[in-house]
Amino acid sequence: DAKTTQPTSMDCAEGRAANLPCNHSTISGNEYVYWYRQIHSQGPQYIIHGLKNNETNEMASLIITEDRKSSTLILPHATLRDTAVYYCIVRVGRDDKIIFGKGTRLHILP
Amino acid sequence: GAVVSQHPSRVICKSGTSVKIECRSLDFQATTMFWYRQFPKKSLMLMATSNEGSKATYEQGVEKDKFLINHASLTLSTLTVTSAHPEDSSFYICSARGLNQETQYFGPGTRLLVL
Repeated sequence: DAKTTQPTSMDCAEGRAANLPCNHSTISGNEYVYWYRQIHSQGPQYIIHGLKNNETNEMASLIITEDRKSSTLILPHATLRDTAVYYCIVRVGRDDKIIFGKGTRLHILP
Repeated sequence: GAVVSQHPSRVICKSGTSVKIECRSLDFQATTMFWYRQFPKKSLMLMATSNEGSKATYEQGVEKDKFLINHASLTLSTLTVTSAHPEDSSFYICSARGLNQETQYFGPGTRLLVL
């Protein structure tokens, strides 16, 4: 069973920030939050992960609430190439399996 | 990021034949490889996990005699779909992780169509 809840789909205007929410209310203290995305007919791509601090890399930012029960992935300046299904996954760490839920289908609108 | 390739990218076969799909890590040694299956408009489903030189560990409901996995080297894992049937038609995706890598890297997928 996926341990996360995400909206089924979202729209975002090109050039704007895309904010994708994820609820993980049953997350354990030793579980990380990972984000992957899958562009149509391709393999998933790793985006970012975090434990409790906010994280930023060249692709996105990850904001985790203080109680760790939810998080938000932020794509700062969305482009058409960011159209994909975004998966929020919780796992203990690198040795834990990646179990994909249904994800959020993000549409970037021109 | 690290590169994982799959071959072939797509394959069509007749019912009852066997099909082999290769997964290669191109620029790192993959101590662990994973195989997933994805049906249209569905999420990825983990089939099995394999560690180099060991037998694969299959997820519940996945037939190990039908989906043969070999991980004989640190850069290559193969998935053989034996006696394929139309219901095996799917998108098969592998991922790989190196000894000191934090995360898994996914291949581009192989689309299998069984007629």
